[in-house]
Amino acid sequence: DAGVIQSPRHEVTEMGQEVTLRCKPISGHNSLFWYRQTMMRGLELLIYFNNNVPIDDSGMPEDRFSAKMPNASFSTLKIQPSEPRDSAVYFCASSLQGASQETQYFGPGTRLLVL
Amino acid sequence: KQEVTQIPAALSVPEGENLVLNCSFTDSAIYNLQWFRQDPGKGLTSLLLIQSSQREQTSGRLNASLDKSSGRSTLYIAASQPGDSATYLCAELTTDSWGKLQFGAGTQVVVTP
Repeated sequence: DAGVIQSPRHEVTEMGQEVTLRCKPISGHNSLFWYRQTMMRGLELLIYFNNNVPIDDSGMPEDRFSAKMPNASFSTLKIQPSEPRDSAVYFCASSLQGASQETQYFGPGTRLLVL
Repeated sequence: KQEVTQIPAALSVPEGENLVLNCSFTDSAIYNLQWFRQDPGKGLTSLLLIQSSQREQTSGRLNASLDKSSGRSTLYIAASQPGDSATYLCAELTTDSWGKLQFGAGTQVVVTP
C-alpha cells in the first residue's frame, strides 16, 4: 500500500488566494483526519470524517476553512481567502476505526506558506 | 478537559545511553495510548500502541509502559543511536472521543555520536 497520499507537498501563495489541499487515505480505512502543525500550537486536529461524514469540525479555525470528503478515497481541505497566519504544515491521516489496534497513519504533509 | 503532557520538551544524550521519555494524560477513560515518531520535515510514524488493558508493549529496542492509575506512559529506547534522533509524540485515544487522538507537544531527542 502506498500509504496516505497528500498533494501538493509544498504550496506558496499570496494572501487572499484560495488554497486547496488534497488527501487520498489508505484503501479500506473508514476514518480521515486533517491536522495542522505549527511551532506555536503543535499538532491540532481540524476536522474528522467517519465513513465520509464529518463527525467533528470543532477544530476548524473559522469560516475561511472548509473540508469535504466526496468519497472514501478522496478529501480536500480548502482555505479561502488564505492569510499569512495560515502558514503551517497540514497533515492528513487515516485509520480503521473500531479495529483492535486502531492507530492513525499519517501522510507526509503539505507545507503551506502564505505571503 | 483532556490534556496530554510530555516532559522534557527536549533531551540530548550520547550514543549508547538509554532514553526515557515521559507522557502524562488526564482523561481516565483511556482506550489506548500511542507513541509516534516525527523526523524533521516528515509526517508521524506510529511506533507502539498500548491498549488500556495492557501494561506494556515492546518492539525491538523500544518498550512502552502504561499506568492508568497514575495517568502515565513511559517510552524506553535502549542503547540509543544517532538514528533515533527525532521528535517523539504520545497521544491518547479515549473511549468517548470518537476516534480523536489527543497529542502531547512532543519531546525532541538528539543522540550525539
